[in-house]
Amino acid sequence: AQSVTQLGSHVSVSEGALVLLRCNYSSSVPPYLFWYVQYPNQGLQLLLKYTTGATLVKGINGFEAEFKKSETSFHLTKPSAHMSDAAEYFCAVETGAGSYQLTFGKGTKLSVIP
Amino acid sequence: DVKVTQSSRYLVKRTGEKVFLECVQDMDHENMFWYRQDPGLGLRLIYFSYDVKMKEKGDIPEGYSVSREKKERFSLILESASTNQTSMYLCASSSQGAESSYNEQFFGPGTRLTVL
Repeated sequence: AQSVTQLGSHVSVSEGALVLLRCNYSSSVPPYLFWYVQYPNQGLQLLLKYTTGATLVKGINGFEAEFKKSETSFHLTKPSAHMSDAAEYFCAVETGAGSYQLTFGKGTKLSVIP
Repeated sequence: DVKVTQSSRYLVKRTGEKVFLECVQDMDHENMFWYRQDPGLGLRLIYFSYDVKMKEKGDIPEGYSVSREKKERFSLILESASTNQTSMYLCASSSQGAESSYNEQFFGPGTRLTVL
């Protein structure tokens, strides 16, 4: 079964600094990968997804992620943090080939310091 | 605009009560899911459904049941609520259709349930 590890349950960055949120998955076969964002008291919203093709994926709000098969990683980055980026971020991977289910990481809460 | 709605944003119930959480999607999606979210534990799958009247257990089904009588509606039932079921409950849906969806799930706003 798939597993997803998000390194760091809390990450703090200064406004304008680089945002880097780490995600590693366990799979020998490239899966479909997702990043979701959750603002306080809201549901999850898709930021970006990797399916096939280009390994650098661009999402909404200036975020992007790079799929690295050799490292089984899908880290999320944004060059310059904004106060509105403060939220919880979840990495997810399809649970199994052909499965409609997703396995989620435990989440990383991002704080942005003015 | 695609939408998943949940019947309540906040709910307070007493121990032993039967609790119904309703979820409706307007995207004609085949798949629907119920998760609970707790701090430090992420999202854990309770039940899911691939079609009307069918259901599959997820990772933590104990103490819960579900009902899917219509394609657009998926209900989560707490037969006898307990304090350890205090949590945020999230409903999601996804399509089995076009390959471009690649299992993307669309989420409702969540129901924060408190059991006293």
